[in-house]
Amino acid sequence: KQEVTQIPAALSVPEGENLVLNCSFTDSAIYNLQWFRQDPGKGLTSLLLIQSSQREQTSGRLNASLDKSSGRSTLYIAASQPGDSATYLCAASTDSWGKLQFGAGTQVVVTP
Amino acid sequence: GAGVSQSPSNKVTEKGKDVELRCDPISGHTALYWYRQSLGQGLEFLIYFQGNSAPDKSGLPSDRFSAERTGGSVSTLTIQRTQQEDSAVYLCASSLVVSASANEQFFGPGTRLTVL
Repeated sequence: KQEVTQIPAALSVPEGENLVLNCSFTDSAIYNLQWFRQDPGKGLTSLLLIQSSQREQTSGRLNASLDKSSGRSTLYIAASQPGDSATYLCAASTDSWGKLQFGAGTQVVVTP
Repeated sequence: GAGVSQSPSNKVTEKGKDVELRCDPISGHTALYWYRQSLGQGLEFLIYFQGNSAPDKSGLPSDRFSAERTGGSVSTLTIQRTQQEDSAVYLCASSLVVSASANEQFFGPGTRLTVL
C-alpha cells in the first residue's frame, strides 16, 4: 500500500526566505504527484501537478521536483510572503482512476 | 469559471439520523471523487465516479455510506444512521481526465459534518 509522508509537520520562516517542503512516497509506481494548499476552514487549492514522466514543474514562485526512483518530491517557494502561510499537502496518484493518497501536510507560517 | 461547489457548507445532526451531502462538479468534468478529512485520519479517499458509474468504492468505510451521480454531473453522498465517528469534513473533487498522468483534481470547499 502506498504511504505518503511529509516532514516537517510544521515550519516557521521569516518573510523573504525560501521555503522547502518535502514529500516522500513508498511506491514509485505513481501516475502523478500533486501539491495542494489548504487555508484554515477551506478546501484544497491545486498548486502544481507533476506527471510521472516529468522531473519538475514551475508556476511563478513555485517549483516542484519529482524523483520517482528515490520516492521524493520537493516543493520550493521562493521569497516567501505572509500570504503563503497555509498547510501544504502532497498527494500521489496511485491508480489509473486517479485515486489520491495524501500526506498529512506541512503547516507553514511566514512571519512578517 | 465556476469551480466545484458543495452544499451544505456545515451540517449538524443527531446520532442515528441520515444526511445527504451534495457536490456540483466543474462543468464538463467526467470524473468525480469524494474524500474525507478528519483529525485522526487525515485525508482519505472514499469513492470515484466516471460518468454515472462508480468503478472504485473501495474507500467507503461501511455500508451506511452510499453515493450516486446523475446525468454525469451532480453527486450525492448519503450517510445513514450517522455515528459520532462520521464527524469530518467531506470534500468533493472533479477532473477532466485527459490521461491518467495528467489527471488534475480540483476540490470544492467541503461540507463540515458534526454528529452530536
